Amino acid sequence: DQQVKQNSPSLSVQEGRISILNCDYTNSMFDYFLWYKKYPAEGPTFLISISSIKDKNEDGRFTVFLNKSAKHLSLHIVPSQPGDSAVYFCAARRNAGGTSYGKLTFGQGTILTVHP
Amino acid sequence: DVKVTQSSRYLVKRTGEKVFLECVQDMDHENMFWYRQDPGLGLRLIYFSYDVKMKEKGDIPEGYSVSREKKERFSLILESASTNQTSMYLCATKRAGGHNEQFFGPGTRLTVL
Repeated sequence: DQQVKQNSPSLSVQEGRISILNCDYTNSMFDYFLWYKKYPAEGPTFLISISSIKDKNEDGRFTVFLNKSAKHLSLHIVPSQPGDSAVYFCAARRNAGGTSYGKLTFGQGTILTVHP
Repeated sequence: DVKVTQSSRYLVKRTGEKVFLECVQDMDHENMFWYRQDPGLGLRLIYFSYDVKMKEKGDIPEGYSVSREKKERFSLILESASTNQTSMYLCATKRAGGHNEQFFGPGTRLTVL
């Protein structure tokens, strides 16, 4: 039962254009969402996050949008750079109360390739 | 800066061997996690620990066990390695409470022959 889904295994974008990575979730108990970036042979690194009480969070070239009614979030990278080429994972956390301990549920990942 | 280290970057073992993967963090984080990453499946949680000697099963604990004897160290044990445990294993840590992210180690690529 995949509660967090990234339906596009890969995305190819020209340098300077916008990259849009999508993520859908099914569990309405998720209250916090994160994006991680992963280069080959390295561990994932945190990129940006958004709480369920917001619909947008921006950090430099990266913006995450959350549509709670559609259970959908997206990561926008503008402008895209060749160094952004990596695997991007979205992750969701259930309500932090009780014994969740900040466990994350990850999507399958999307391979982004930015061409010069 | 949080530093999370894993004992090996690459490991090759034979079917039936007992395998130990170690993770060490230097930031005094309470929570530690073990994931495996497989193509098309993303990261899946194997086990996590929220305190010394405390552990809880994740989504795919079968065939694995863990040990946390010290706060900074979290070990993943494959009791009898099988070929379907060939994978990338990732350790992560997180400070308890609040909206804070998990920090990952570099990963161990385990191949079971």
